Amino acid sequence: SQKIEQNSEALNIQEGKTATLTCNYTNYSPAYLQWYRQDPGRGPVFLLLIRENEKEKRKERLKVTFDTTLKQSLFHITASQPADSATYLCALGGNAGNMLTFGGGTRLMVKP
Amino acid sequence: EAGVVQSPRYKIIEKKQPVAFWCNPISGHNTLYWYLQNLGQGPELLIRYENEEAVDDSQLPKDRFSAERLKGVDSTLKIQPAELGDSAVYLCASSETGRNTIYFGEGSWLTVV
Repeated sequence: SQKIEQNSEALNIQEGKTATLTCNYTNYSPAYLQWYRQDPGRGPVFLLLIRENEKEKRKERLKVTFDTTLKQSLFHITASQPADSATYLCALGGNAGNMLTFGGGTRLMVKP
Repeated sequence: EAGVVQSPRYKIIEKKQPVAFWCNPISGHNTLYWYLQNLGQGPELLIRYENEEAVDDSQLPKDRFSAERLKGVDSTLKIQPAELGDSAVYLCASSETGRNTIYFGEGSWLTVV
């Protein structure tokens, strides 16, 4: 069965450092992968989308890589700030409509 | 532009009682989704609409859950009767047809006691 794995343990880093979150998947051939941010008590907010034929995507302090051979995506936040503290969800999408399957999310805590 | 609007934000009911959640998607978004999110987990799709047609409801527990999207705009998700295990956040989302980015509402938090 399809499986998306994100580290369920919280990631704690110091302000100014680079945060790296991992999303691994099995039994899936996604056409694209997305990352969302979710704050406590709020709905997920879209951050970035990367397609299967793209290796890397950047947006301001965010960078996403997508390795379809390793079946893995890495999500980086450079120069992290306490305001970046949130849960980050990866989601895989196929070609059949807007079908997104979400991972369980990783909580990021950036300490001042 | 207004985002996806959901109500109520919070609801506490006793088991076996009915409950309904309402969603107003972003204007012009023909695709509407209902997701279920349990604590500490990612959202799971319950049902997806293209206009007023339910195109994917395979994960909707049809014995107690029902949904409708009259006139292809607002949608309602109903649970009857509610069980203790239904306590979760019910997220509504919408997107433009054919676009990959979906926009979520703030969710409706359900507690069944």
